[in-house]
Amino acid sequence: KAGVTQTPRYLIKTRGQQVTLSCSPISGHRSVSWYQQTPGQGLQFLFEYFSETQRNKGNFPGRFSGRQFSNSRSEMNVSTLELGDSALYLCASSLALTASSTDTQYFGPGTRLTVL
Amino acid sequence: DAKTTQPPSMDCAEGRAANLPCNHSTISGNEYVYWYRQIHSQGPQYIIHGLKNNETNEMASLIITEDRKSSTLILPHATLRDTAVYYCIVRLYTGTASKLTFGTGTRLQVTL
Repeated sequence: KAGVTQTPRYLIKTRGQQVTLSCSPISGHRSVSWYQQTPGQGLQFLFEYFSETQRNKGNFPGRFSGRQFSNSRSEMNVSTLELGDSALYLCASSLALTASSTDTQYFGPGTRLTVL
Repeated sequence: DAKTTQPPSMDCAEGRAANLPCNHSTISGNEYVYWYRQIHSQGPQYIIHGLKNNETNEMASLIITEDRKSSTLILPHATLRDTAVYYCIVRLYTGTASKLTFGTGTRLQVTL
């Protein structure tokens, strides 16, 4: 079974631009979560989508947004990029079964975003 | 989710068992212990998780103390490819939302 895929793997943007990152979950997984990883802040939760609805959100400004499509694929968007947005953006998917401990998150390889 | 404490770094000789400790003294009864690892600049890799019983899979063993205040991840025969940052996460499974809170982890260096 194919793992979580993220595109693009690397991206260079300039301040003020916007960017869209894509994530395809493992087949059958219904939940997609996004994380940001920086050397200073470590791995931080951005948001989670389930059935095309955002059901959990981390402490990030409104410039960070996302969506999920009916096939569970997800995109995240960052508008008005700042230098501090340079990071590894990670997507994770899970089955999202209810009342089960098997809701393990599996991560993709990440998208390395550099803002100049 | 409860907070975890891990040593910042550990060394292990190749072929020996690597025992990575994690303290989670404020864990509640329905919180699970999860372990992930991250090899340089890759996405975190799921290793194992457990509630109160010891668990073993093809990658590792997880030993949780009886009072559940601490746990140990055991890599039975460490190889150079096990060099990574290992994260211990205590997670309340709510069934309605998925979120992992990562700490700073333990940087395991496996040497020849």
